[in-house]
Amino acid sequence: KNEVEQSPQNLTAQEGEFITINCSYSVGISALHWLQQHPGGGIVSLFMLSSGKKKHGRLIATINIQEKHSSLHITASHPRDSAVYICAVRGGGSNYKLTFGKGTLLTVNP
Amino acid sequence: DVKVTQSSRYLVKRTGEKVFLECVQDMDHENMFWYRQDPGLGLRLIYFSYDVKMKEKGDIPEGYSVSREKKERFSLILESASTNQTSMYLCASSFVGHSGNTIYFGEGSWLTVV
Repeated sequence: KNEVEQSPQNLTAQEGEFITINCSYSVGISALHWLQQHPGGGIVSLFMLSSGKKKHGRLIATINIQEKHSSLHITASHPRDSAVYICAVRGGGSNYKLTFGKGTLLTVNP
Repeated sequence: DVKVTQSSRYLVKRTGEKVFLECVQDMDHENMFWYRQDPGLGLRLIYFSYDVKMKEKGDIPEGYSVSREKKERFSLILESASTNQTSMYLCASSFVGHSGNTIYFGEGSWLTVV
């Protein structure tokens, strides 16, 4: 069973700061997801990646398959980025089973 | 835009009641999932369905059953609700394809069992 660890658990930043959230996993994977959950519950998929780097607006996700590690970066953070960010991995050979990290609560103050 | 709709956002039920949580997706996805989310535990898979009438148990299926009679609809059933099933329930769906399995979630259903 894959273990997914996220750090930090909680992160408070000032508006405009550069933010990094980390995710490590224990077993080889076929894909990694970064998800965002706002208060109230709904979850949105930000990225799905299996190698390299992806960018969408102010968000950048990277993955290092050899080191079993991924990072989510937010540039020029804004209070509306405040949310829980969740890392989830899909094991090799599995077409559906995701293992989730416990999430990182990000608060961006104005 | 893909839409995953959960029929009830907030429910309060009594111990022993039968509870139905409904989920509908509009993108013809093969895969549908039910998760529960509890503080400190993250998301845990209850059941998964990869086609109509097909289902597989997830990590915590005890006390739950599911139904998938139509491709777009996946129902979670609590046969006899108990207080330890108080939680937030999330439905999700994904497409099986060569481009991978981007997953789409509903807004969540907050269930309180009293």
